[in-house]
Amino acid sequence: NAGVTQTPKFQVLKTGQSMTLQCAQDMNHNSMYWYRQDPGMGLRLIYYSASEGTTDKGEVPNGYNVSRLNKREFSLRLESAAPSQTSVYFCASNDRAWNTEAFFGQGTRLTVV
Amino acid sequence: SQQGEEDPQALSIQEGENATMNCSYKTSINNLQWYRQNSGRGLVHLILIRSNEREKHSGRLRVTLDTSKKSSSLLITASRAADTASYFCAAQRGSNYKLTFGKGTLLTVNP
Repeated sequence: NAGVTQTPKFQVLKTGQSMTLQCAQDMNHNSMYWYRQDPGMGLRLIYYSASEGTTDKGEVPNGYNVSRLNKREFSLRLESAAPSQTSVYFCASNDRAWNTEAFFGQGTRLTVV
Repeated sequence: SQQGEEDPQALSIQEGENATMNCSYKTSINNLQWYRQNSGRGLVHLILIRSNEREKHSGRLRVTLDTSKKSSSLLITASRAADTASYFCAAQRGSNYKLTFGKGTLLTVNP
């Protein structure tokens, strides 16, 4: 009964390096989301995917790309990491059918030095 | 800009007191949700209120929604030290059910 699983949990990158954050859900949900959380800023939406094969920009998409690989998986890629991308990243999913709650992963704490 | 704004940013109360948090939003919604986050953890859903509902209860939680004022409030009654956490409102809108969050209220319940 995993729910939403994010990997890795922690990561340190050097400026300019690339990496992919992985997210998988086992609840057969249609919608998936990536957020970043910074102190005092709450959660800001980076990208979301309403269904397999579709992705849309959120509030802060610059510097990120996403792939909705299949219904279960939604990855977030940083092509050239910058210190401003130091944050905690959360993946979430929900059933788009009608007015449903979102389920969150435990987060990835990313530090870019 | 973020679509939800919680008020107050921080709230400190004594155990047994009630805690009220408010949320305002800017554009029409499908529903308004409240989440809780313990320090360093993921978010946990508390309650959802649909745009055609005005009040909803779940245990010690009471949420109201005023679509004319574009605002919602979360009331936690008879608070406990274990209620200490950050609370976020989230607005879901559009045919793609985009879900955006406010900045949150940090609630501290003192024993």
